Formats: sequence, C-alpha cells, structure tokens
Amino acid sequence: GIQVEQSPPDLILQEGANSTLRCNFSDSVNNLQWFHQNPWGQLINLFYIPSGTKQNGRLSATTVATERYSLLYISSSQTTDSGVYFCAVAKIATNKLIFGTGTLLAVQP
Amino acid sequence: GAVVSQHPSRVICKSGTSVKIECRSLDFQATTMFWYRQFPKKSLMLMATSNEGSKATYEQGVEKDKFLINHASLTLSTLTVTSAHPEDSSFYICSAGEGSWGNYGYTFGSGTRLTVV
Repeated sequence: GIQVEQSPPDLILQEGANSTLRCNFSDSVNNLQWFHQNPWGQLINLFYIPSGTKQNGRLSATTVATERYSLLYISSSQTTDSGVYFCAVAKIATNKLIFGTGTLLAVQP
Repeated sequence: GAVVSQHPSRVICKSGTSVKIECRSLDFQATTMFWYRQFPKKSLMLMATSNEGSKATYEQGVEKDKFLINHASLTLSTLTVTSAHPEDSSFYICSAGEGSWGNYGYTFGSGTRLTVV
C-alpha cells in the first residue's frame, strides 16, 4: 500500500518562529489533506491540497504532485499551534484516506 | 459545514464485555464510513471501510470478528468491539466520506477513548 512519511517527527519552536513540515508519499494520489490534531484528539482540517499552493492566515501549504511531496508552512507560530500535524492521502480508486506518520509540534512561550 | 457526531467520547469497560461506538453524519448522507484506530503518540491506522447496506471491508491484520462494523443507513455506522481485552484499549475515530470523483470530502468524528480494565 501507499506509504506516507512525515518529517521531522518532533519539533520544538519558540513562539514567533517559522517552520516547515514535510510529507512524502510513495505513489500518485488524487487527494492530499493536512490536519491538526488537538490535545483532545479532534482532527482539524487545515488544507485540501492535492496540488498547487494555498494559504490561510499564518498557514500555507504546497504540494508538488509530480515529485510526491507536500509542505506545510507555519509562520509566526503561537502556543495554540502546538499539537500533532498529519498529512493524509487517498487514491481515487479507493477513497481510503491514509495518514502519515505525523509531526509533533510544541511551541514554547 | 458537515458534522459527524461520535458517541461515546470515553468509555471504560471490563475485560470480556462488548462496547458499541456510534458514528452519525448529522447534516449529510455519507456514502462511506471509515474507522480508524490510534495508539498513543502514533498515527491513525485505517481499520475498515463500510458502505451503507454492504459488508465492511477490513484492512489487512484487522480482526473482523473482533471489530464488528454495521452501516445500516446513510447516516449511521457502528463499531462494536467484542469480548474486549486490555490490548483493545485505544482511541477510535470515525470518518464520513461524501462526494464524487475529484470532489471527495472527509469529515471526522471527535473520537472515542476506550479503556478496557
């Protein structure tokens, strides 16, 4: 099956710093999404981005489908950005969303 | 926006008993429901996919007799953990899918934390 690897696995930032999270996937996909999982386990959908670039406030994401990777940029990080970030991908044949390994982000005041 | 209600949010049960988790799409009809399991500090692992009125399709390594999935309507899917044991303790999350080619969306429930004692 498709493999989804994220890096780095853990990241500690000072408030105000910028960061880049990476997602590599092993096969062509039709759907790629970035999620933030809060401390209570709720998954918050950040971006639907199978290709191209999108921005939403301090967050932006870029997917280069031909090279099978996606990047999530967090600028001017805040303590509320802490949590786990997942990318997830799906192929149109199955619509099964497969999650990456995740990046645990801790933003310190 | 689309909302998926998952219930209960937390449950503690005794070893050997069964537990049922419900997942409802509140304002849309979900063509497909997905069930995930998450261990502490780990990623979400897809357990099974269910379509309304059909038998669920389980991922490799997931015991279908242990994790019974019923998808009786377009708005309700249930996961029953049968004869639960401590190793079944985990965080279970459902997701409802809707849409068509090129425009398929997923909405996640808030999860159920199961503790088997």
